[in-house]
Amino acid sequence: ETGVTQSPTHLIKTRGQQVTLRCSSQSGHNTVSWYQQALGQGPQFIFQYYREEENGRGNFPPRFSGLQFPNYSSELNVNALELDDSALYLCASSLGTSSNYGYTFGSGTRLTVV
Amino acid sequence: AQRVTQPEKLLSVFKGAPVELKCNYSYSGSPELFWYVQYSRQRLQLLLRHISRESIKGFTADLNKGETSFHLKKPFAQEEDSAMYYCALSLRGNKLVFGAGTILRVKS
Repeated sequence: ETGVTQSPTHLIKTRGQQVTLRCSSQSGHNTVSWYQQALGQGPQFIFQYYREEENGRGNFPPRFSGLQFPNYSSELNVNALELDDSALYLCASSLGTSSNYGYTFGSGTRLTVV
Repeated sequence: AQRVTQPEKLLSVFKGAPVELKCNYSYSGSPELFWYVQYSRQRLQLLLRHISRESIKGFTADLNKGETSFHLKKPFAQEEDSAMYYCALSLRGNKLVFGAGTILRVKS
């Protein structure tokens, strides 16, 4: 049984550019959630995908978008990057959308915007 | 608004001493709370959830709705407990609101 895999591990982008982060969910998990973790803060919910449909969104602008594929892997896209987007982006998968299911987290992608 | 507050950024205790990591929440609905832990160079992982009323690695946490708290406790700290601990509130659909985290440092 594999865990959650995120790629790339580190990324440096220039302000105004676009970025795509990828996540492979744990085997059998149909729900993927993305979180942004700024330095010194707890993770903040961006959005969740359940069976390829967006299932809730946090307080993030539309330039943050995502996808979930039939194999339940997922992408997070950020357009028009800003310096404040520099953070650790965490992907977490779960068996479903019930809170009875805990998350399995990936190691994260460290994004630096310069 | 939903909010989780962990008032201590750092808690430093000696090995064998009791530990209490504080967590307070603000939520109008019926709360479901979790503790997640991140050991050095490891990924974030679930430690325990209030609904299970379980003890994991000697840690327990009781939901106190009157005080809106979910403090994490352990009677005797061990060096391997040193880690970052996050309290989290689950909203409908298993979306988590995290606190800022508390670093627990257990000194020998």
